[in-house]
Amino acid sequence: DAKTTQPTSMDCAEGRAANLPCNHSTISGNEYVYWYRQIHSQGPQYIIHGLKNNETNEMASLIITEDRKSSTLILPHATLRDTAVYYCIAPSGSARQLTFGSGTQLTVLP
Amino acid sequence: GAVVSQHPSWVICKSGTSVKIECRSLDFQATTMFWYRQFPKQSLMLMATSNEGSKATYEQGVEKDKFLINHASLTLSTLTVTSAHPEDSSFYICSARDGGGTGRTYFGSGTRLTVV
Repeated sequence: DAKTTQPTSMDCAEGRAANLPCNHSTISGNEYVYWYRQIHSQGPQYIIHGLKNNETNEMASLIITEDRKSSTLILPHATLRDTAVYYCIAPSGSARQLTFGSGTQLTVLP
Repeated sequence: GAVVSQHPSWVICKSGTSVKIECRSLDFQATTMFWYRQFPKQSLMLMATSNEGSKATYEQGVEKDKFLINHASLTLSTLTVTSAHPEDSSFYICSARDGGGTGRTYFGSGTRLTVV
């Protein structure tokens, strides 16, 4: 997997947008960027993924830079239930296994 | 969305006994399943990758004779922790990759194993 770098922690006010950055400067041309989150003591939850175009779904938006060396996950209106560890992953290999780094602990404050 | 069911959600066992954890993909066929272990305040660590009908591939440092993985069908993989010891106490999480549809990986809800 391409190495990804994320800030250890971030705070966000409830109702505001949460912008979570990820650096993946060694990503190769055919590696997607995936975002998952893990709420305490639960399995990771898929959020969104993309290759080079920006993506949006019901949960979040993903902005990928033109050179693909970094991306930003945007939660447009954060709620307290969005408090979780967010993982940015660029899987590779034939099995496409997901290798988790330390992620970003997002805390949404009331 | 796709669902991966993991059972049991928690288990307490005596030292020296074996524990089996099941992972099922409920609405898709999973050609590949993955098993992770997570210790408190740490990230998920990949233990092994299993492909339906073949032997699992274990990550470095994971004992294949201690953590037996069986992936006998496209919807079921099992992890058996043999001769469990207190240091095996952890949160075990399975995931399954949708080989036919989205190609995405979905996770089970995890199993909290406590060995006493």
